[in-house]
Amino acid sequence: GESVGLHLPTLSVQEGDNSIINCAYSNSASDYFIWYKQESGKGPQFIIDIRSNMDKRQGQRVTVLLNKTVKHLSLQIAATQPGDSAVYFCAEKGRGSQGNLIFGKGTKLSVKP
Amino acid sequence: GAGVSQTPSNKVTEKGKYVELRCDPISGHTALYWYRQSLGQGPEFLIYFQGTGAADDSGLPNDRFFAVRPEGSVSTLKIQRTERGDSAVYLCASSRGGDTQYFGPGTRLTVL
Repeated sequence: GESVGLHLPTLSVQEGDNSIINCAYSNSASDYFIWYKQESGKGPQFIIDIRSNMDKRQGQRVTVLLNKTVKHLSLQIAATQPGDSAVYFCAEKGRGSQGNLIFGKGTKLSVKP
Repeated sequence: GAGVSQTPSNKVTEKGKYVELRCDPISGHTALYWYRQSLGQGPEFLIYFQGTGAADDSGLPNDRFFAVRPEGSVSTLKIQRTERGDSAVYLCASSRGGDTQYFGPGTRLTVL
């Protein structure tokens, strides 16, 4: 069945280092993937998305990589800052689905000054 | 520009009571979604509107939950006979009809 999960529940990095947050998905028919950042007490904030016809997409300080062969998604954050501390969720949407996203449990990123 | 807004931000109610949660989507967004998020979990889909109609309500847990969007803009999620297990953060998101969904701050519902 459809599911999205994360390899690591917590990640601690030093300020200025690069962060890599991983995500596995099980539905090979999913054609759209998205990363959200959620700070305590706030709603999920859109970071970056990618369609299944791409394997890499870059934004400001963030890069999403999609490996369809092993059904793996990753979010790379360059020069991690204290303000990046949050829980990060990946989500997928299946091809032809009505529109709802399926979320994983999230990875908590902590940035040490 | 204004994002998705939700009211109230917090709602405390007693078991068995009725509650309404409101969502104002981003202006011009035709699609509206409700999700529920329990502590330490990712959001779980409840219902999706395209315009005024519910295109997919497969995520509603039971018939105590109902949502409307009468004019294709504001939506209200209604929960009857609330139970303690309904306690969660209820999130609303909207999109222009494409894939990217933008979320509101959520309503934290606590059922005593």
